[in-house]
Amino acid sequence: AQSVTQLGSHVSVSEGALVLLRCNYSSSVPPYLFWYVQYPNQGLQLLLKYTSAATLVKGINGFEAEFKKSETSFHLTKPSAHMSDAAEYFCAVYGQAGTALIFGKGTTLSVSS
Amino acid sequence: DTAVSQTPKYLVTQMGNDKSIKCEQNLGHDTMYWYKQDSKKFLKIMFSYNNKELIINETVPNRFSPKSPDKAHLNLHINSLELGDSAVYFCASSPRGEGSTEAFFGQGTRLTVV
Repeated sequence: AQSVTQLGSHVSVSEGALVLLRCNYSSSVPPYLFWYVQYPNQGLQLLLKYTSAATLVKGINGFEAEFKKSETSFHLTKPSAHMSDAAEYFCAVYGQAGTALIFGKGTTLSVSS
Repeated sequence: DTAVSQTPKYLVTQMGNDKSIKCEQNLGHDTMYWYKQDSKKFLKIMFSYNNKELIINETVPNRFSPKSPDKAHLNLHINSLELGDSAVYFCASSPRGEGSTEAFFGQGTRLTVV
């Protein structure tokens, strides 16, 4: 079954610093991959998705992710963190037979001034 | 217009009670889901429906029963509530439930069993 692993349950950065959130997938066939963000007491919002059209994917709020088949990775980055980026971030992939999105365990991003 | 709406947003109830959470989507999607998010923020799929037909029924106690009266609605009924059922429940929908189509999520229902 397809799955994703998020390395680092908690990442702390200073405002203006680079944000790097890690996601690795397990699949022999490159899957479609998704990054979602969850702000406190809210639902999940799609940041970006990889659909094989381009390996570098740009999303909302200045985030981007690069699909690397050789590393089975789809890490999320943002050049300069903002206080408003503090949230929970989830990487996801459709499970076996594409029936439902399966989520990683999430990474909490904290941004300090 | 809210794309995926669920009610209520908060639900506090006593052990042993029966409660329902309602979900509606106005996106015209064929597939709807229920997810459970625990206190550690881990999201787990509970059920998936495609065109009112049950597709996924993960290892969820049979006290949980989803009902899809039509393609736009997927309700979750929970019998004999237990303390361990306390969590945030999310409803979601997607066009096909596969491939490159993302899922759209509701705002969640925070269930607290006391």
